[in-house]
Amino acid sequence: DTAVSQTPKYLVTQMGNDKSIKCEQNLGHDTMYWYKQDSKKFLKIMFSYNNKELIINETVPNRFSPKSPDKAHLNLHINSLELGDSAVYFCASSQGLAGGGYEQFFGPGTRLTVL
Amino acid sequence: RKEVEQDPGPFNVPEGATVAFNCTYSNSASQSFFWYRQDCRKEPKLLMSVYSSGNEDGRFTAQLNRASQYISLLIRDSKLSDSATYLCVVNNAGNMLTFGGGTRLMVKP
Repeated sequence: DTAVSQTPKYLVTQMGNDKSIKCEQNLGHDTMYWYKQDSKKFLKIMFSYNNKELIINETVPNRFSPKSPDKAHLNLHINSLELGDSAVYFCASSQGLAGGGYEQFFGPGTRLTVL
Repeated sequence: RKEVEQDPGPFNVPEGATVAFNCTYSNSASQSFFWYRQDCRKEPKLLMSVYSSGNEDGRFTAQLNRASQYISLLIRDSKLSDSATYLCVVNNAGNMLTFGGGTRLMVKP
């Protein structure tokens, strides 16, 4: 049983397109995250949601819009894709807020390539 | 100065060797510290939390030095399966984790 799942696993698209990545966790966690890992392998937080409410938005362009329909889902919609958006996007979840020292469980990642 | 800094490596060691990684962090108010492991083209997974008094889990020992703001990970008796990238992770500001760039370990037969 996959704890944190993401779809799709691979996404290849043209510049200017709009795409979505879905994330679901079956761990009963309250907090979910989106991270971006670029070609240099740095993993950076993009957004964090706690109980469906946005609590962290880390200077991400407003072309990126997260949506949390319920505690178990956090989707990421990206408008007008740019070459620089090519990266691996990881969804994660934790039982509580990061400040509480909770382990974060990551999904398998979505490898986005913008041509 | 980066918030969380690691030597990217790679560290190439033979099986059975002992290897140590260090990581420095810039925010003296940081409260939580972790080592995550990331295999090639996979997601990061928690290896161990790092406690003030230091902690051990089998062949892995983590230490925290608050005065010097660094964290270390020691791996004894390295196995081929230990080959991975080790990410130093710090709770730097409130509810956000900051990841280091990772240290790549390659254990050779």
